[in-house]
Amino acid sequence: AQSVAQPEDQVNVAEGNPLTVKCTYSVSGNPYLFWYVQYPNRGLQFLLKYITGDNLVKGSYGFEAEFNKSQTSFHLKKPSALVSDSALYFCAVRDLTGGGNKLTFGTGTQLKVEL
Amino acid sequence: DGGITQSPKYLFRKEGQNVTLSCEQNLNHDAMYWYRQDPGQGLRLIYYSQIVNDFQKGDIAEGYSVSREKKESFPLTVTSAQKNPTAFYLCASSMSSVGTPNQPQHFGDGTRLSIL
Repeated sequence: AQSVAQPEDQVNVAEGNPLTVKCTYSVSGNPYLFWYVQYPNRGLQFLLKYITGDNLVKGSYGFEAEFNKSQTSFHLKKPSALVSDSALYFCAVRDLTGGGNKLTFGTGTQLKVEL
Repeated sequence: DGGITQSPKYLFRKEGQNVTLSCEQNLNHDAMYWYRQDPGQGLRLIYYSQIVNDFQKGDIAEGYSVSREKKESFPLTVTSAQKNPTAFYLCASSMSSVGTPNQPQHFGDGTRLSIL
């Protein structure tokens, strides 16, 4: 079965510094990977996805993610963090069992960006 | 403005009571999903539907039921058999995987269910 792991419950970073939110995956076959962001009491918003092609994927709000097959990782990055980036971030992998565009989510990483 | 509407935003359930959470989408998506979110556990799939009049159990379907009579609507009933229903419930939709695989899911803003 496919799974994703987010090893850090919380990441703290100073505004203006680069940020990284880590994600590792386990799948049989090709991985289809996604990042979402959730603000308090809201639904999830799609940031970016990796399907195939370039290992560096660019997404919304200046975020990007680096796919690394040998390390089975898909870390989310941003060159310069903003206080408004503070939110809960989820990594997800497409679940190919049973058909559909189902996703299996990680447990989430709380990002806190401080002045 | 296309999107997913969940209602109500807050819901309280009494012991032994069934409650129904509403989810409506105007994105013309074939597939719809229900998730349960608990702190520190991420999102867990309750039920999903790939097409009208068809749905499948997800990982934690016990104590829940759904229907899919219209493309736009996918209501979730939390039955009295669900002994720990307090959670944040999220509905999502996506294009069909047939012909358009790997499309992202779009989410509503959730319903927070609590026990009285």
